[in-house]
Amino acid sequence: DAKTTQPTSMDCAEGRAANLPCNHSTISGNEYVYWYRQIHSQGPQYIIHGLKNNETNEMASLIITEDRKSSTLILPHATLRDTAVYYCIVRVGGGNAGNMLTFGGGTRLMVKP
Amino acid sequence: GAVVSQHPSWVICKSGTSVKIECRSLDFQATTMFWYRQFPKQSLMLMATSNEGSKATYEQGVEKDKFLINHASLTLSTLTVTSAHPEDSSFYICSAPHSGGADTQYFGPGTRLTVL
Repeated sequence: DAKTTQPTSMDCAEGRAANLPCNHSTISGNEYVYWYRQIHSQGPQYIIHGLKNNETNEMASLIITEDRKSSTLILPHATLRDTAVYYCIVRVGGGNAGNMLTFGGGTRLMVKP
Repeated sequence: GAVVSQHPSWVICKSGTSVKIECRSLDFQATTMFWYRQFPKQSLMLMATSNEGSKATYEQGVEKDKFLINHASLTLSTLTVTSAHPEDSSFYICSAPHSGGADTQYFGPGTRLTVL
């Protein structure tokens, strides 16, 4: 799976949009971008994923650049409960749910009042 | 999304004892489950892949005789930490792949193991 690079930490004001970047310049054509988050002392939680089109669900939006070498996870109105470590993971999708996930360091997002 | 549970959520044991951690997929079947370990302020590290009906596969550096894995059914995998020592104290997390929807893995809430 392709390697990803994320900032170590970010701050965001409560109620504002949190934009978390991820670089994945070596991504292959059949690899998806997945985002997970881990709130302190809990297991990781799936957020969203995409291949090349922008995606939106009830939790977040995912913007993938046209060349697919980077992406941004957007939490439109961050709350204190969004404070967590956010992991960007690139992996083969399309029926390969059983493939292992490799976690990097992630971005520690601190939402402040 | 799919739900994965773990039991217990935390456990404290004496050095030298064995501890069993259960991982269950609640609303789907999983022929494969994964076990991760996470030390404080570090990322998740894959320990082993649990396979229903066959032996688990372990990552390099993980002792298979110390971390026993049994995938008893399509919804249950257990991790037993044998002869636990303080250095085994960690946060243990399991995951199970679910092919529907997001076609990805779903994680349990984790088990905090403290060995005295």
